[in-house]
Amino acid sequence: GQNIDQPTEMTATEGAIVQINCTYQTSGFNGLFWYQQHAGEAPTFLSYNVLDGLEEKGRFSSFLSRSKGYSYLLLKELQMKDSASYLCAVREYGGDKIIFGKGTRLHILP
Amino acid sequence: DTGVSQDPRHKITKRGQNVTFRCDPISEHNRLYWYRQTLGQGPEFLTYFQNEAQLEKSRLLSDRFSAERPKGSFSTLEIQRTEQGDSAMYLCASSFTSGKNEQYFGPGTRLTVT
Repeated sequence: GQNIDQPTEMTATEGAIVQINCTYQTSGFNGLFWYQQHAGEAPTFLSYNVLDGLEEKGRFSSFLSRSKGYSYLLLKELQMKDSASYLCAVREYGGDKIIFGKGTRLHILP
Repeated sequence: DTGVSQDPRHKITKRGQNVTFRCDPISEHNRLYWYRQTLGQGPEFLTYFQNEAQLEKSRLLSDRFSAERPKGSFSTLEIQRTEQGDSAMYLCASSFTSGKNEQYFGPGTRLTVT
């Protein structure tokens, strides 16, 4: 079976840095995604990791350690518009089904 | 706009009625996915298609749910004999088969069963 854990809520200050952690257990692993979802809107793709290491894209970076079943999303220079839910999702090997975590609601304070 | 579109955006129905939702994927994408999302939860996988073939269906999905993609383009999701527990946001997504294969989501159909 699969299990994806991430914190339910986090709070950070505008201009700061925040790290959202995700741990997972799957029967086979074929990639990890991070999505952003604003309230009432559809998820939008942020990042993808399939090999160990850090992927950087502007203010957002994502890290993966397959041996530890661990990933994090790092957001720098936080802006008020970054207030959203951040969804960690894992794709199983051999198929294309993606299993989502429950998401982390990030609140940005001025 | 060439993104994923869904229709209707909102649907209110009475318990026991049947409802059908439509999803039009990004035109070049050959994979199409259906998810259900309730408040405070991540999207829950329902089913997915490659072209017109339904490749996987969630074991959690009851027989009241059926999905089709007859010509490998748009897809429909039908819920028969709706129950209050079916109230949720129904999301459609599409992707290519190659590369990172990230999924692009539509705006969703919000279903309320009264």
